[in-house]
Amino acid sequence: AQSVTQLDSQVPVFEEAPVELRCNYSSSVSVYLFWYVQYPNQGLQLLLKYLSGSTLVESINGFEAEFNKSQTSFHLRKPSVHISDTAEYFCAVTSPSGGSYIPTFGRGTSLIVHP
Amino acid sequence: NAGVTQTPKFRVLKTGQSMTLLCAQDMNHEYMYWYRQDPGMGLRLIHYSVGEGTTAKGEVPDGYNVSRLKKQNFLLGLESAAPSQTSVYFCASRGGPGNTIYFGEGSWLTVV
Repeated sequence: AQSVTQLDSQVPVFEEAPVELRCNYSSSVSVYLFWYVQYPNQGLQLLLKYLSGSTLVESINGFEAEFNKSQTSFHLRKPSVHISDTAEYFCAVTSPSGGSYIPTFGRGTSLIVHP
Repeated sequence: NAGVTQTPKFRVLKTGQSMTLLCAQDMNHEYMYWYRQDPGMGLRLIHYSVGEGTTAKGEVPDGYNVSRLKKQNFLLGLESAAPSQTSVYFCASRGGPGNTIYFGEGSWLTVV
């Protein structure tokens, strides 16, 4: 069985400050890891994903996440946030093949960027 | 490339009415899912399908039925709507590199 824990339900931050949204997972098999973003009243959009290779992955809008196998973490970071980054962020895990057919999501972290 | 499309986007139902939400994907994915999203609850899996003609129960299946008669479509039915089913419903499909999950834009359902 696999699980995902997003340690913070809400993260308030001022504009241009750095931010880290934490995600820990547990799984008995190797995993693929994802971060999704949901803007108000919209669906979930893929932000970035780790499949293999370099443990640091980046998105086109300045977010990055680092896969840490020893700590079973996949924290999301941005060095300087904008008001427009205000959204709900979900961490998710799937297995590469076979095993669980069900993607597992964390409960989400609400990022609130203040001016 | 439309990805995952859900219809309708908004619907208001009276208690006891029935309705069907349609999800269509054009990526030839085997796996499809229906989730509901409620404040503070994150995403909860209702039903899922691992291929055409197959369905299985998720975390919160009661009050819902599903069908996957065609690979590209996954229907979610409410036979007798209840106010507790007021929610936002998301369909998703999974496939491609990394088994990426692709979501529809959501269906906002209110049961009065």
